[in-house]
Amino acid sequence: KAGVTQTPRYLIKTRGQQVTLSCSPISGHRSVSWYQQTPGQGLQFLFEYFSETQRNKGNFPGRFSGRQFSNSRSEMNVSTLELGDSALYLCASSLPSGGEQFFGPGTRLTVL
Amino acid sequence: AQSVTQLGSHVSVSEGALVLLRCNYSSSVPPYLFWYVQYPNQGLQLLLKYTSAATLVKGINGFEAEFKKSETSFHLTKPSAHMSDAAEYFCAVSDRDGATNKLIFGTGTLLAVQP
Repeated sequence: KAGVTQTPRYLIKTRGQQVTLSCSPISGHRSVSWYQQTPGQGLQFLFEYFSETQRNKGNFPGRFSGRQFSNSRSEMNVSTLELGDSALYLCASSLPSGGEQFFGPGTRLTVL
Repeated sequence: AQSVTQLGSHVSVSEGALVLLRCNYSSSVPPYLFWYVQYPNQGLQLLLKYTSAATLVKGINGFEAEFKKSETSFHLTKPSAHMSDAAEYFCAVSDRDGATNKLIFGTGTLLAVQP
């Protein structure tokens, strides 16, 4: 089985721009979660989607949003980028509940 | 709210020595527990998980962890460190209610292995 894929792997944006990141889960996995990793805050949960519905959300401002498509692929969007949004954004997929999450390689976002 | 504490942000061991990485959780109900490893510029790879079967869990690459409810701990060990074990290790918890797969991570422990 192919693993979780994330595109693009690297992004450079400037403050005020918006960005969209994409995640393709493992085949058969319907739950997709997003995490932000920074040196200062560590790994923080952004949101989780299951069957095209957001079923949990972390403590992030409304500039961070996401969605899931009928094929379970997910996108996250960050609008009005700030310098502090520079981070590694990780996507993980899993079966609906209780199982381990499988992580993609991440998208490294740099905001200048 | 659940939380995870990893004692020691940096741990250094000699090649061939015992590896012990500490993790404590706070939860009134034993959660699902996980250890993940992250190599530079990569995502997270699952080492092992505790879901309620045996309290001693064996994972990949010779790692194992023991769930101790009385100590609310889930420490990761490996009898003999290898140079390739140098990486960052994260302990994580997840609720058992089935309503979410949200993981709460510890702050991570960077393991250095000296030759």
